[in-house]
Amino acid sequence: EVQLVQSGAEVKKPGESLEISCKGSGYTFTNYGIGWVRQMPGKGLEWMGIIFPADSAARYSPSFQGQVTISADKSITTAYLQWSSLEASDTAIYYCARRGCNNSTCSRGYYLDVWGKGTTVTVS
Amino acid sequence: DIQMTQSPSSLSASVGDRVTITCRASQSISRYLNWYQQKPGEPPKVLIYGVSSLRSGVPSRFSGRGSGTEFTLTISSLQPEDFATYFCQQSYSTPAMFTFGQGTKLEIK
Repeated sequence: EVQLVQSGAEVKKPGESLEISCKGSGYTFTNYGIGWVRQMPGKGLEWMGIIFPADSAARYSPSFQGQVTISADKSITTAYLQWSSLEASDTAIYYCARRGCNNSTCSRGYYLDVWGKGTTVTVS
Repeated sequence: DIQMTQSPSSLSASVGDRVTITCRASQSISRYLNWYQQKPGEPPKVLIYGVSSLRSGVPSRFSGRGSGTEFTLTISSLQPEDFATYFCQQSYSTPAMFTFGQGTKLEIK
């Protein structure tokens, strides 16, 4: 079974650092990008960025560039989302999701086909 | 940046109704448009990709249309399990940006 298993809920204070994780299994980890999506309380989905584990190349949404760091360790099939100094406004659920497509050429584009259950981060 | 705008933001409907949600892009995204469904306490799940292709296991009452800048998601006959929030997402400007619409909350009337 293809799955993404995220780390558990975190409660942190402003100014603290944090790293949450997303472990992929059931597929070839280096063949797919892993994206991160933020959902603030009662709000919609915000695309943060993506990591390509094959070469550890990360791309960020302009809204999140410089605010977080996305990384991956392919040896343990795990992606990470990291903050160096949390703020109260970082309180949210963070989802990781696999960037997939429907066939070998991805002719109909990419979509997020497998999601983790989310990690709740509370900064207070 | 490409902006995605959904309408309406919320919608009340009854079981058996036909409903349509619209998603507009700030520039042409060809047919790189996906739809997701999210229920409370759960992660989103993809329903439709590439405007109109149903993900495996998604009921045929869901359908998508459009191209360029205007897209629709239609549920032909609402079932109790369809009451959820729906998000559109563009994948035209990959790999860095998978912009989402703001969501449409579908509630029981």
